[in-house]
Amino acid sequence: EPEVTQTPSHQVTQMGQEVILRCVPISNHLYFYWYRQILGQKVEFLVSFYNNEISEKSEIFDDQFSVERPDGSNFTLKIRSTKLEDSAMYFCASSDDSGNQPQHFGDGTRLSIL
Amino acid sequence: GNSVTQMEGPVTLSEEAFLTINCTYTATGYPSLFWYVQYPGEGLQLLLKATKADDKGSNKGFEATYRKETTSFHLEKGSVQVSDSAVYFCALSDPDTGRRALTFGSGTRLQVQP
Repeated sequence: EPEVTQTPSHQVTQMGQEVILRCVPISNHLYFYWYRQILGQKVEFLVSFYNNEISEKSEIFDDQFSVERPDGSNFTLKIRSTKLEDSAMYFCASSDDSGNQPQHFGDGTRLSIL
Repeated sequence: GNSVTQMEGPVTLSEEAFLTINCTYTATGYPSLFWYVQYPGEGLQLLLKATKADDKGSNKGFEATYRKETTSFHLEKGSVQVSDSAVYFCALSDPDTGRRALTFGSGTRLQVQP
């Protein structure tokens, strides 16, 4: 069964540094998403991406965040100047173009800001 | 806005016991409803879904029925196993209003003892 893959599995970064999290969505999917889960808390939506542009974003997704689909397979989340509170598990997901189809998640990248 | 409320955990059961995890929601449109499961150290896996009122989603012995009149989507399983120990998340999306982002509940940890 096709999977969403995320790299790296764990990223440790100094506060103030830039970090890029990478995702390879399922190949025939058209919608891509980023979510985060701070330790012990609920999963929160960050942003969705369709047709090479952001289709939805939450209030968490401020100017320090950006997303990009640099080629036909990768989908990236960039955090420009990391803060301690950015420490979380970041999940990528993808879905096809049917509104009721479920999102398929990767195993996540654990981001630790020191 | 949309929201999902789940029963507090952890839920601790003996093997072969009956499981119910309550989930209620508020939404502006007619949402699609999902249960995701997160095993220790892993990402989110879709367990089951329902896209309209009175639909019953089922998978791996788990079931949930979309109850519009009570705005609920309770998860049930007749006989739990130790391998069912995980965190269970109820979620919704509202594609009819253009909102595909998933709104998650806070998660319910299930511990099944042999």
